[in-house]
Amino acid sequence: DTGVSQNPRHKITKRGQNVTFRCDPISEHNRLYWYRQTLGQGPEFLTYFQNEAQLEKSRLLSDRFSAERPKGSFSTLEIQRTEQGDSAMYLCASSLAGRAQHFGDGTRLSIL
Amino acid sequence: DAKTTQPNSMESNEEEPVHLPCNHSTISGTDYIHWYRQLPSQGPEYVIHGLTSNVNNRMASLAIAEDRKSSTLILHRATLRDAAVYYCILRQGGSEKLVFGKGTKLTVNP
Repeated sequence: DTGVSQNPRHKITKRGQNVTFRCDPISEHNRLYWYRQTLGQGPEFLTYFQNEAQLEKSRLLSDRFSAERPKGSFSTLEIQRTEQGDSAMYLCASSLAGRAQHFGDGTRLSIL
Repeated sequence: DAKTTQPNSMESNEEEPVHLPCNHSTISGTDYIHWYRQLPSQGPEYVIHGLTSNVNNRMASLAIAEDRKSSTLILHRATLRDAAVYYCILRQGGSEKLVFGKGTKLTVNP
């Protein structure tokens, strides 16, 4: 069990640019989740995948956000035309069905 | 989404037991009670979960009230490494998403 891996750990970008984050889940986990966490708040659910199928999306996931998990393994989260309010920690988690979610240590996004 | 209420912060002394309370008066019959914790600069970490009966594992114990409207996470002997934000979460049966509140920030004094 090598844990959930997220890259990069930090991303600094200018407003209006596109960014992409990657998440590598624990290898046998078929479920993958994305959350966003702002300072002083708990994580907020964004979306989740079962294998390659995206089964649930939060209303927080505007049309500037897109997540993929093309082969049911790693996942990417892309934010287009970044805004100041997108500054946050983006967390990925994975699990087996009905089991505890294992989180990575997140990607911190800072918008200049 | 069912809501939970936790104290903003608590303090404990090292090697003493800690009881972290959580109120969830609107819990439904299929909601599971989950606890996660988050250490500084890390992602959340699963601690324990239960439905109706009290639960024990190597990290903690979970005591669930008979009416299920409240629960208590028990750390039997706090260590400095237990200093974290503890989240009490209700997960609907059949739903995969976790709905986090602000949690309780636990400070452990040496």
